[in-house]
Amino acid sequence: AQTVTQSQPEMSVQEAETVTLSCTYDTSESDYYLFWYKQPPSRQMILVIRQEAYKQQNATENRFSVNFQKAAKSFSLKISDSQLGDAAMYFCAYRSGVTSGTYKYIFGTGTRLKVLA
Amino acid sequence: GAGVSQSPRYKVAKRGQDVALRCDPISGHVSLFWYQQALGQGPEFLTYFQNEAQLDKSGLPSDRFFAERPEGSVSTLKIQRTQQEDSAVYLCASSLDNAPGETQYFGPGTRLLVL
Repeated sequence: AQTVTQSQPEMSVQEAETVTLSCTYDTSESDYYLFWYKQPPSRQMILVIRQEAYKQQNATENRFSVNFQKAAKSFSLKISDSQLGDAAMYFCAYRSGVTSGTYKYIFGTGTRLKVLA
Repeated sequence: GAGVSQSPRYKVAKRGQDVALRCDPISGHVSLFWYQQALGQGPEFLTYFQNEAQLDKSGLPSDRFFAERPEGSVSTLKIQRTQQEDSAVYLCASSLDNAPGETQYFGPGTRLLVL
């Protein structure tokens, strides 16, 4: 079975600085997708960034980028130029590829990010 | 357009009562997911619908949990004979199709408290 581990319950970053959130996962599959979702306080969860396992190039979305290390099964999220609006819970998630026949997403326990003014 | 909506937003139930939680996905979205999120935890997958077909219910914790999406749009998650351990936020998410890389759009959740 696949697992997702986020070992940092809480992180803090100064406004305008850079922070990296860690995620490791375990799988025997070769085809899968990884995601970072953001859950602001009392607001809906939204997708931040996604990575397809067969793509070697790290995904980027504006100030958000990932460091995808497939062999190490690591998928960290880097937030550059942190803003107050980045404060939220961040969840790493895994989903098997289309050949698996499964549909479930597996989420980590989350990292609470605080942004200090 | 409107996002995913869920109702009620809050529900207090006495132990043993039945509850029904509603999810209105984004119009035209094929895929619909239900999750259970305990306090301080990540969402746990409960079940998945592709249109009206329930293709994966492996995450439902017991036979007290039942979900349906009869016309391939609105979905209802029903919990019978609620127990205190059912207290959690129940999240619904929809996506345009069933591709594994597709974006999930989440609703605000229903916070269920069982006394």
